Amino acid sequence: DAKTTQPPSMDCAEGRAANLPCNHSTISGNEYVYWYRQIHSQGPQYIIHGLKNNETNEMASLIITEDRKSSTLILPHATLRDTAVYYCIVRGGATNKLIFGTGTLLAVQP
Amino acid sequence: NAGVTQTPKFQVLKTGQSMTLQCAQDMNHEYMSWYRQDPGMGLRLIHYSVGAGITDQGEVPNGYNVSRSTTEDFPLRLLSAAPSQTSVYFCASSRPGAISNTEAFFGQGTRLTVV
Repeated sequence: DAKTTQPPSMDCAEGRAANLPCNHSTISGNEYVYWYRQIHSQGPQYIIHGLKNNETNEMASLIITEDRKSSTLILPHATLRDTAVYYCIVRGGATNKLIFGTGTLLAVQP
Repeated sequence: NAGVTQTPKFQVLKTGQSMTLQCAQDMNHEYMSWYRQDPGMGLRLIHYSVGAGITDQGEVPNGYNVSRSTTEDFPLRLLSAAPSQTSVYFCASSRPGAISNTEAFFGQGTRLTVV
């Protein structure tokens, strides 16, 4: 499973877009990029995932570069409830394993 | 839907005691896994299962046993608890289908303290 690199922490003003970067330079062709978040030691929550194309759902957008070596999770209008640790995970192969890194602590400021 | 249910939510053990952390899901998911999370750290994979009767080791399997006799249940056993196993334990499950294109659902965790 490819490893990912994320900044340890980021700040964002409430109501503004939060852009969380992730590097996954060793990703292989059949591996997906997943994003999860963990709010205050609760169980992690799925946000979004993608393979090559950009993806959008009701929670966020995922932008994957053309070479697939990096991606950005976008929360379009961050709220205080979006304060959490965000994990970028590259996942593939037959084992279905999710290997977590240390993530990015996003602090949304009022 | 109940989703992924973990019991107990909290547990205190003495060193050397044994116990089983329970995990059950009602979504007919084939894939289940156990993680531990230590303070200030990300989740680390302990064991996982791709279906009933099939289990494998994750990143930190030592000191833990698992079995998967049914699709619904995936218990985690500590045979002889040690203070180093003090942690929060999360169980997760994924639906069947394309292996890499599925989201995982997590339980709310079991907070274990070994004294």
